[in-house]
Amino acid sequence: KQEVTQIPAALSVPEGENLVLNCSFTDSAIYNLQWFRQDPGKGLTSLLLIQSSQREQTSGRLNASLDKSSGRSTLYIAASQPGDSATYLCAVYSPGAQKLVFGQGTRLTINP
Amino acid sequence: GAGVSQTPSNKVTEKGKYVELRCDPISGHTALYWYRQSLGQGPEFLIYFQGTGAADDSGLPNDRFFAVRPEGSVSTLKIQRTERGDSAVYLCASSSGQGGGYTFGSGTRLTVV
Repeated sequence: KQEVTQIPAALSVPEGENLVLNCSFTDSAIYNLQWFRQDPGKGLTSLLLIQSSQREQTSGRLNASLDKSSGRSTLYIAASQPGDSATYLCAVYSPGAQKLVFGQGTRLTINP
Repeated sequence: GAGVSQTPSNKVTEKGKYVELRCDPISGHTALYWYRQSLGQGPEFLIYFQGTGAADDSGLPNDRFFAVRPEGSVSTLKIQRTERGDSAVYLCASSSGQGGGYTFGSGTRLTVV
């Protein structure tokens, strides 16, 4: 059974810092991995989608990497801003499960 | 449509009542998923439709929960005899296939009082 873990559960940093959020998964047989952002009381917004054959994806100040063999992904946020404050969720899609399996999320606070 | 639409956005109901939650996926997306999210937790899988049929309903917690997608587009999640423990945000997502990412709706916040 696929399990996804995100560390840390919460993170608070001053504005302007670069930061890394971690995601690990137990079964390396995945189709893809997706990072989402969730603002309080809102739905999920897709940030980056990495296919199993890819090593990384970039969008603006965000960069996500994937090391499928070790079961790890990182989300790098450059030059953080208060508007980046949200919960970040990692999810993997596995052929056996045929559904996204989510981590618990990392609650990020960027302090002005 | 341009995105996944869920209605209502908020629903407050009394314990024991019946509720229906609606999801309108992105046009042309054959796969549709329902998830439930409790406060401070990641979304948990409920049910997955491929076309009109439920390909995987292993996440439904008990027989009070049921979902349909009769024409392969709009889906309705139905909860009978609601309990306070059913209070959560119910999220719907659609996808074009295994290689495509998921697009989520804004969710329905269900509160059972």
